[in-house]
Amino acid sequence: QKEVEQNSGPLSVPEGAIASLNCTYSDRGSQSFFWYRQYSGKSPELIMSIYSNGDKEDGRFTAQLNKASQYVSLLIRDSQPSDSATYLCAVKDTGRRALTFGSGTRLQVQP
Amino acid sequence: DGGITQSPKYLFRKEGQNVTLSCEQNLNHDAMYWYRQDPGQGLRLIYYSQIVNDFQKGDIAEGYSVSREKKESFPLTVTSAQKNPTAFYLCASRDPAGTGDSPLHFGNGTRLTVT
Repeated sequence: QKEVEQNSGPLSVPEGAIASLNCTYSDRGSQSFFWYRQYSGKSPELIMSIYSNGDKEDGRFTAQLNKASQYVSLLIRDSQPSDSATYLCAVKDTGRRALTFGSGTRLQVQP
Repeated sequence: DGGITQSPKYLFRKEGQNVTLSCEQNLNHDAMYWYRQDPGQGLRLIYYSQIVNDFQKGDIAEGYSVSREKKESFPLTVTSAQKNPTAFYLCASRDPAGTGDSPLHFGNGTRLTVT
């Protein structure tokens, strides 16, 4: 079974700092990667998608992808207490049209 | 507004009873999915459907059943054969015809408690 690994955390950062969230995946053929944010008791909401090696920026968020290392990361600049949530990494499976999710990293931004 | 509606939000059942979770979408998406989430865990794929009248098992299909008779509806039945049914159930859809691999859009979830 294909795997997506994330550090469960919690990752604690002070307000205004950069939060760095990491994810590794086992399916070498995967081409599409997604970051979702999930507040406690709520459903996941899409933050970013990334398909090509390198960086992709959207506001305070930057996704980074390195397919050779099978590694994808999410940077959150100027972290705010409202960013406190669980961040889920998801990878599009080769061979089936579904996403495999990591177990998530819990981020805590301290005011 | 387009979206995915899951009902009910909370559901309580006695052990041994089958229960059906509703999922309806008006996004005109062909593909629909059911995931299960346990406390402190990620999402695990139960079943998915790429088109009406067709569906495939995911990673944890045992004890569950689905149907896809209409494009907008993908109900999930949790049977008495499911050993640990208490969980947060999430329905999602996507538009496979979109550019690249389009992301999943999620409903608000159903929290099922079986005692």
